Amino acid sequence: KAGVTQTPRYLIKTRGQQVTLSCSPISGHRSVSWYQQTPGQGLQFLFEYFSETQRNKGNFPGRFSGRQFSNSRSEMNVSTLELGDSALYLCASNLLAGGPDTQYFGPGTRLTVL
Amino acid sequence: AQTVTQSQPEMSVQEAETVTLSCTYDTSESDYYLFWYKQPPSRQMILVIRQEAYKQQNATENRFSVNFQKAAKSFSLKISDSQLGDAAMYFCALSNFGNEKLTFGTGTRLTIIP
Repeated sequence: KAGVTQTPRYLIKTRGQQVTLSCSPISGHRSVSWYQQTPGQGLQFLFEYFSETQRNKGNFPGRFSGRQFSNSRSEMNVSTLELGDSALYLCASNLLAGGPDTQYFGPGTRLTVL
Repeated sequence: AQTVTQSQPEMSVQEAETVTLSCTYDTSESDYYLFWYKQPPSRQMILVIRQEAYKQQNATENRFSVNFQKAAKSFSLKISDSQLGDAAMYFCALSNFGNEKLTFGTGTRLTIIP
């Protein structure tokens, strides 16, 4: 089975722009979660989607949003980019919603905001 | 709120030797799951091992094993016969039953000395 894929792998944007990142989960996986990884804050949970519904949300401003499509693919959007949004954005999928299960991660999208 | 603490920012071990990485956690839930993930320079987050809190038996996966002390809220990872490919950042993570959100520690950078 193919693993979790994320596109694009690298992205450079300027302050004030918006960006959309995409995540395709492992085939059959229905839950998709997003994480932000920075040197200063470490790994932080952004949100989780299951059956096209956001079930859980981390402590991020409303500029960060996401959605999930009927085929379980997910996108996250960041509007009005700030320098502090520069980070590695990781997507993870798992088979079952509500656990117990393991999240499998994609390779990440490296976002640089200039 | 749940927390995960990794008190060793860096560790090193001679190739073929054994090393133990420490992790403590805090959660008010009785049903939860603990994970060790490995992040090599490629930045791909890879599951190393998983432990269900209700299981008394410590999980093992080939050269990797855990020492799970539920009362002490401790979850250490032992790597036996260390190999050069084990060099990576290791993250301890916690998720509560019914919640896909992973709470990560700050990581331990493991160096393997040839």
